[in-house]
Amino acid sequence: GQQLNQSPQSMFIQEGEDVSMNCTSSSIFNTWLWYKQDPGEGPVLLIALYKAGELTSNGRLTAQFGITRKDSFLNISASIPSDVGIYFCAGPIIQGAQKLVFGQGTRLTINP
Amino acid sequence: KAGVTQTPRYLIKTRGQQVTLSCSPISGHRSVSWYQQTPGQGLQFLFEYFSETQRNKGNFPGRFSGRQFSNSRSEMNVSTLELGDSALYLCASSFGFAGGALETQYFGPGTRLLVL
Repeated sequence: GQQLNQSPQSMFIQEGEDVSMNCTSSSIFNTWLWYKQDPGEGPVLLIALYKAGELTSNGRLTAQFGITRKDSFLNISASIPSDVGIYFCAGPIIQGAQKLVFGQGTRLTINP
Repeated sequence: KAGVTQTPRYLIKTRGQQVTLSCSPISGHRSVSWYQQTPGQGLQFLFEYFSETQRNKGNFPGRFSGRQFSNSRSEMNVSTLELGDSALYLCASSFGFAGGALETQYFGPGTRLLVL
């Protein structure tokens, strides 16, 4: 079945640094989603991408839908302590269906 | 407006027992999806319910089942629990208009199930 490979699995950075993570798939996706999960909570949608090549920002977060439609990138600029958490990429297994496949997650730790 | 609520938040069961988890979607949402989250397998789709009907299903054994009520609240049941069923079970709700583009799913905080 479809799988999303997300990297890196974990990151340890200093406050103020920029962060980059990416997600690749062996299959084409028509939608890419990026979620963040805080401890004890469910994932929260950060950015949704619907078009190949699309670049979308949400505050200090920027995500891009790869041209090949098989990858996506998430960047966080000037990290702050509340950015700590696990970031997931996701996409619909079936186009238009509420059935998502998720990457393994990137655990972000920030040293103040 | 109130978010997705899940009850109970924590649960301990023993092997062979069965368990029922509950999810109340955001008001007006008619689609409820369930996911299992484990350290080894990550987040995996279980099933989706819309208007009291299962609309999509993941690759889980028949021990995992669900249902949805007329008020859109959903329950999932796991029978004959196994140690490997220990996980965080998340539900997510959306408006779920059939045939529409993928909608934003709003996740609840999850029910953490421990099977001993």
